[in-house]
Amino acid sequence: EVQLVESGGGLVQPGGSLRLSCAASGFTFSSYWMNWVRQVPGKGLEWVANIKEDGSEKYYVDSVKGRFTISRDNAKNSLYLQMSSLRAEDTAVYYCARWGAGVADYWGQGTLVTVSS
Amino acid sequence: DIQMTQSPSTLSASVGDRVTITCRASQSISNWLAWYQQKPGKAPKLLIYKASTLESGVPSRFSGSGSGTEFTLTISSLQPDDFATYYCQQYNSFYSFGQGTKLEIK
Repeated sequence: EVQLVESGGGLVQPGGSLRLSCAASGFTFSSYWMNWVRQVPGKGLEWVANIKEDGSEKYYVDSVKGRFTISRDNAKNSLYLQMSSLRAEDTAVYYCARWGAGVADYWGQGTLVTVSS
Repeated sequence: DIQMTQSPSTLSASVGDRVTITCRASQSISNWLAWYQQKPGKAPKLLIYKASTLESGVPSRFSGSGSGTEFTLTISSLQPDDFATYYCQQYNSFYSFGQGTKLEIK
């Protein structure tokens, strides 16, 4: 059974940093692109970043470029999102998602990031 | 950037009704379109990809159609479990989602 479990969310002050993790199991992690998608509570979905199977390619939505870094450790079946210079508008539930042929076929349960003083 | 616009934003319907949700892209995306269902407090669930291909395990009352810039998600006979929010997503050029359509019980 495919499982994605996010962790690392919490309350952080504006300008602060946070690292999200996603532990994957039930599939060959190193064979899939992985993504982060976020959702402001009560609002819609926004794709944030993705990373190729071997980590050689990474892409970001414009609003987080230069502030967020996606990475993975295939030996540990883990995906990460290092977030810095956080802003109030980054407040959201962050989902880890497995990408199959361009679509998110499995999602984690999400972790809430709140940026507030 | 490709903008995705869904209509309506809210849809009230009854069990057994046939409903259709529309998604329009700001430029042609061929058939690179997916539909997701999300229930409160839960992660989205993939229903349809490549505009009309049903994900494994999804009931056949769900169907998708369209190409280019206009797409539809149809539920042929609403069941109680179908009341949720639905999102379209394009994957022709990076990724973007529609704003969502909340399907409510009438």
